[in-house]
Amino acid sequence: GAVVSQHPSWVICKSGTSVKIECRSLDFQATTMFWYRQFPKQSLMLMATSNEGSKATYEQGVEKDKFLINHASLTLSTLTVTSAHPEDSSFYICSARSGLAGGLAGELFFGEGSRLTVL
Amino acid sequence: RKEVEQDPGPFNVPEGATVAFNCTYSNSASQSFFWYRQDCRKEPKLLMSVYSSGNEDGRFTAQLNRASQYISLLIRDSKLSDSATYLCVVNPYGQNFVFGPGTRLSVLP
Repeated sequence: GAVVSQHPSWVICKSGTSVKIECRSLDFQATTMFWYRQFPKQSLMLMATSNEGSKATYEQGVEKDKFLINHASLTLSTLTVTSAHPEDSSFYICSARSGLAGGLAGELFFGEGSRLTVL
Repeated sequence: RKEVEQDPGPFNVPEGATVAFNCTYSNSASQSFFWYRQDCRKEPKLLMSVYSSGNEDGRFTAQLNRASQYISLLIRDSKLSDSATYLCVVNPYGQNFVFGPGTRLSVLP
């Protein structure tokens, strides 16, 4: 089946630094990828939709200048948390959707997630 | 009203028990429905899609009631390994997936 790989799995950084997280679709092309954030004991919250070759679409309340998304190819999207602060510590998960005809949604595949801890 | 709502949980059940989770959604244009399972500190993984006619996969049965905008998941003969958070996911046509808050299940020995 389709696989989405995310890297790094864990990252600890100092406050004020920037952290880049990569999301790759390994055996299918993903024109659209999604970035989520999940705080402990809470559900996934969609941060932004990453579109290959164009600007990402951010959800309300998500700062686009803080969470930079680049989707340079059909298999890679990156999320950069700029000037990270302790409140940015969270579980960041990417996903990509396999395609189906007729506009119906294919299965959503998730990366393994990246746990960010900002000291 | 939230787009997708689920039983608040947690559900603590003994091994072998049957447990049912409920989910309601507000967008009547929703086309696709799924149950995902998420283990602690892991990414969600697809458990099963939900079809209009209802579908079964081993010990798991999913039902969809479009008129009531209601989805259910039934787990029979629960195992310790079933302990996880179960996420109801709804996909309105042409829109992004919407996740419910999840219902946590703990199967006790």
